[in-house]
Parts: sequence; structure tokens; C-alpha cells
Amino acid sequence: DSGVTQTPKHLITATGQRVTLRCSPRSGDLSVYWYQQSLDQGLQFLIQYYNGEERAKGNILERFSAQQFPDLHSELNLSSLELGDSALYFCASSELSGTGTLSGNTIYFGEGSWLTVV
Amino acid sequence: GESVGLHLPTLSVQEGDNSIINCAYSNSASDYFIWYKQESGKGPQFIIDIRSNMDKRQGQRVTVLLNKTVKHLSLQIAATQPGDSAVYFCAEKKTNRDDKIIFGKGTRLHILP
Repeated sequence: DSGVTQTPKHLITATGQRVTLRCSPRSGDLSVYWYQQSLDQGLQFLIQYYNGEERAKGNILERFSAQQFPDLHSELNLSSLELGDSALYFCASSELSGTGTLSGNTIYFGEGSWLTVV
Repeated sequence: GESVGLHLPTLSVQEGDNSIINCAYSNSASDYFIWYKQESGKGPQFIIDIRSNMDKRQGQRVTVLLNKTVKHLSLQIAATQPGDSAVYFCAEKKTNRDDKIIFGKGTRLHILP
């Protein structure tokens, strides 16, 4: 158990709909990352937040957005869903945001949220 | 460009033998590298990491080697066990203003009985 909690574990929704994925980072971690993993694809970085502020942005679609709340949990909002958005969405957390101790840079992943768009 | 790649998509190893999983990275500015293991239906699990000022780091049954000259990273697993069956990802981090961690596509490690 990494200490990162994601809900829901599974979600099936129709095209055009909107969903929210939730993540609670490890206790004490200030950084939250979101990744997308499709079949036969690696982990695609979407976005990172550090202590409530957006820190880095990857290949996140405009239909997707995220935020990190004062209690450090994060939500990933996916709207106008398309079939191609079906994937496993991972949240990860780390202690620090950038350079720091070796261990502080390590990110720990949750178990993921399976999204199926039908 | 940004790319962390793996030389082989699938690696089959006899149980008890040592496994070596290779990875090439393209950005010489990356200064932190991580190996993750992902078992079916689970999230990636941290195995070991290394900074660019090191060329070797050992953990329990695992060793990571970094060759900055050729931008190559490898993960060695000693005495491979059935529980080592998984997809292994290498990842690089650019510790500048852009903190995103870039993952490779993964190598599936298959353990032969």
C-alpha cells in the first residue's frame, strides 16, 4: 500500500459526460501528479500540483482540468468524454516539488481509477 | 526531444537467473532516474532511484546502473523470482522549473519456470 488513495476504482460512463476522479496523497506529501495509462501505452504525464499551485503541465487536454485543495487532496475533472479517454488514471504524490533529497523526489502511485467510456 | 525508451518490450528470464532491463534516455539535463514495477491491475510501485551524480545504486536484490556518457540506465534483478513478473518502467525527471517525470513505455519481464 503506497498510501495514495484514489476513488472511484472503476467508472463507466457515456460519451459526452463529465466525471471527477479524486486523489488523497500520502500523509505529508505536498505534490500530486496525474497520469493517464492507455492499453499498450506508457504512463502519460498530465499535470502536477504542489501545495495547491499548478507546478507542471504535460499532455493534458483542454477538456481535462485538475485542482489541489487546501487539504492537499486533488481532483481530476474529465469533460465531454470520448471513447478514446478510456484509460487508467493514476494519481501519485511526493514530498517535494523539485530538487531535494533523493527520497523526497520519489513519487508514489495510487492504485488507479479505471475509466471506461461507452 | 523528450523520450525515455526501453530497448526490449518483453524479456523472458529463467527463474533464479539475473535479469537486466535496459533503458535509454534522451535528455542529458535529466538528473534523477527511477525504476518502477507495475503488476497487472496495480499502480506502479517504486523500486529504486538514482541521481545523475551517481553511477550505481543498490537495493535489495536490485541494482541500478547509470551511464551518463551514453545516456543509458539499467535495472538488474538478482535471482529472479516468479513475483518479479511485471512491467518495468524507467522514468526520468528534470529538476528544473518543469518537474514532470517522463516514463518510458515499459518492458514486460516474463519468468520462465
